[in-house]
Amino acid sequence: SQQGEEDPQALSIQEGENATMNCSYKTSINNLQWYRQNSGRGLVHLILIRSNEREKHSGRLRVTLDTSKKSSSLLITASRAADTASYFCATDRPSNTGKLIFGQGTTLQVKP
Amino acid sequence: NAGVMQNPRHLVRRRGQEARLRCSPMKGHSHVYWYRQLPEEGLKFMVYLQKENIIDESGMPKERFSAEFPKEGPSILRIQQVVRGDSAAYFCASSPKDRGNTEAFFGQGTRLTVV
Repeated sequence: SQQGEEDPQALSIQEGENATMNCSYKTSINNLQWYRQNSGRGLVHLILIRSNEREKHSGRLRVTLDTSKKSSSLLITASRAADTASYFCATDRPSNTGKLIFGQGTTLQVKP
Repeated sequence: NAGVMQNPRHLVRRRGQEARLRCSPMKGHSHVYWYRQLPEEGLKFMVYLQKENIIDESGMPKERFSAEFPKEGPSILRIQQVVRGDSAAYFCASSPKDRGNTEAFFGQGTRLTVV
């Protein structure tokens, strides 16, 4: 079964607003990663948060991790039209081979 | 340092033909992962290889699919006798030997269309 599940599945906001996406997972993890995918393109790594971390920032991105609830959130502040893309969380499990388990993704549309 | 290179970017095959997808990992990376993405879905793990070894193929379909990562040259994902359901984007990722808590680097993908 799919490890990660994101919600919402789709999100539409105006430029300048903040966008929040959530990810839930089922098993223990080594770390959780967020990726962006523009339509028809490859994946761009955004941020990695380790299981012993609770919050991480990178530019306009803020990621939180709650291992007790097995959930993570990605916040994009002051969104831009260029942020329009699909966003995926992926978990890397302990004692695993390094393979990532992806969620179904959140499609974000930022209207200019 | 070039990123992960996949080719071709787009591949069209008729039903019953063979598809060969290539992945050259980043320089110094000895671990390769293949993922498949169906339209409107997330990526699904297929296989994990190190040089000349298949480490984890738990996500590979039992028939028609095979993968290799030879000592020299790119990793190859081979799909024999393709069917329409094989149409998808196939992504390759690579990582160093001791990845630890670091990211995997993805290629741009090969989009396979079976007609």
